[in-house]
Amino acid sequence: DVKVTQSSRYLVKRTGEKVFLECVQDMDHENMFWYRQDPGLGLRLIYFSYDVKMKEKGDIPEGYSVSREKKERFSLILESASTNQTSMYLCASRVNTEAFFGQGTRLTVV
Amino acid sequence: SQQGEEDPQALSIQEGENATMNCSYKTSINNLQWYRQNSGRGLVHLILIRSNEREKHSGRLRVTLDTSKKSSSLLITASRAADTASYFCAPVLIQGAQKLVFGQGTRLTINP
Repeated sequence: DVKVTQSSRYLVKRTGEKVFLECVQDMDHENMFWYRQDPGLGLRLIYFSYDVKMKEKGDIPEGYSVSREKKERFSLILESASTNQTSMYLCASRVNTEAFFGQGTRLTVV
Repeated sequence: SQQGEEDPQALSIQEGENATMNCSYKTSINNLQWYRQNSGRGLVHLILIRSNEREKHSGRLRVTLDTSKKSSSLLITASRAADTASYFCAPVLIQGAQKLVFGQGTRLTINP
């Protein structure tokens, strides 16, 4: 079975902190994605990567950056966390067709 | 940029009834996928329909695709309480096929 693992299920951080959300997949998938999910807004794509060291902005990249140094790991970085980045963050990986999602990280910025 | 838009936003039915959800999109697709999300969890892939297919079945799921209307529907027959979840469509565009974008989803509630 494909496994996509997000490093934390719940996270509480302070405003201004640098935050790293890690995602690891075990199936050698080329494409990886980071989304945030907020009530009434659905899933919004932050960044995606189609290969090592390759990245593309999604619909809401402001305030975020990403890193993909190895194929299996895709990191989302909040350079300076703000309260409006409190959200559920979902990572996914895909090759060709269906995507596999992690369990989500609920981030609260206080 | 929302590539797929689900309708209705919320649907509440009695157990045993059929549930139909719709998805509309704007540009030419390679395929269209449907996902389910249980509360507080990641999405799970349900079914994929290719642009040259009109209908596809998987268990109690039936998906149709009308490329002339740029729309798809997901039918869940004989609904169960366990089907309570949010359902999302993801049209995979011909241009930019690596990108996977979801809409707001349809929140389905099955009442016992």
